Amino acid sequence: AQTVTQSQPEMSVQEAETVTLSCTYDTSENNYYLFWYKQPPSRQMILVIRQEAYKQQNATENRFSVNFQKAAKSFSLKISDSQLGDTAMYFCAFMITSGTYKYIFGTGTRLKVLA
Amino acid sequence: DGGITQSPKYLFRKEGQNVTLSCEQNLNHDAMYWYRQDPGQGLRLIYYSQIVNDFQKGDIAEGYSVSREKKESFPLTVTSAQKNPTAFYLCASSRGHGNTIYFGEGSWLTVV
Repeated sequence: AQTVTQSQPEMSVQEAETVTLSCTYDTSENNYYLFWYKQPPSRQMILVIRQEAYKQQNATENRFSVNFQKAAKSFSLKISDSQLGDTAMYFCAFMITSGTYKYIFGTGTRLKVLA
Repeated sequence: DGGITQSPKYLFRKEGQNVTLSCEQNLNHDAMYWYRQDPGQGLRLIYYSQIVNDFQKGDIAEGYSVSREKKESFPLTVTSAQKNPTAFYLCASSRGHGNTIYFGEGSWLTVV
């Protein structure tokens, strides 16, 4: 079975500090994409960052970066210089790039940025 | 602006009634999706459509139905057969099946 595990249900961080959200996944496939989505209180899911599994270089998007460890099946998200607007639920997901192209989502980590 | 529009934002339904949630996109995306979100759980796929006039069941399709008569529209009907329909419903689309998906703002459905 393909699964995504986010072991931290809730986290908090002081404004301007750095926080890392954990994600592990399980699949026997070799080709897939990994994603982090953000869901603020408005509930709209917003793509934060995407990583192709065949790329060794970790993806970055401004203050957001990932630590992708393929052998360990780990895909953590680092948020630098945290801002109040980063307060949200964060979902990790992966998609197999063959067959059904199905997305598998984790259960989310609720992040609160403190002023 | 391009995007995905879901309506209504909030909907109340009496038990035994069918209700339809609207999803429209002007991104010219071929693929569209419906997800359900419950507290403490990740998103679960209800139905998806790769092209017009075609759709496939996801993991939790029982009690739901969809249609894809137009590329830009993918309405979801929650039927009376759905045992626990109270949830947050998210519509999404992608350029093609296998590409990154983008989401609408969601619809809250409450059964009273």
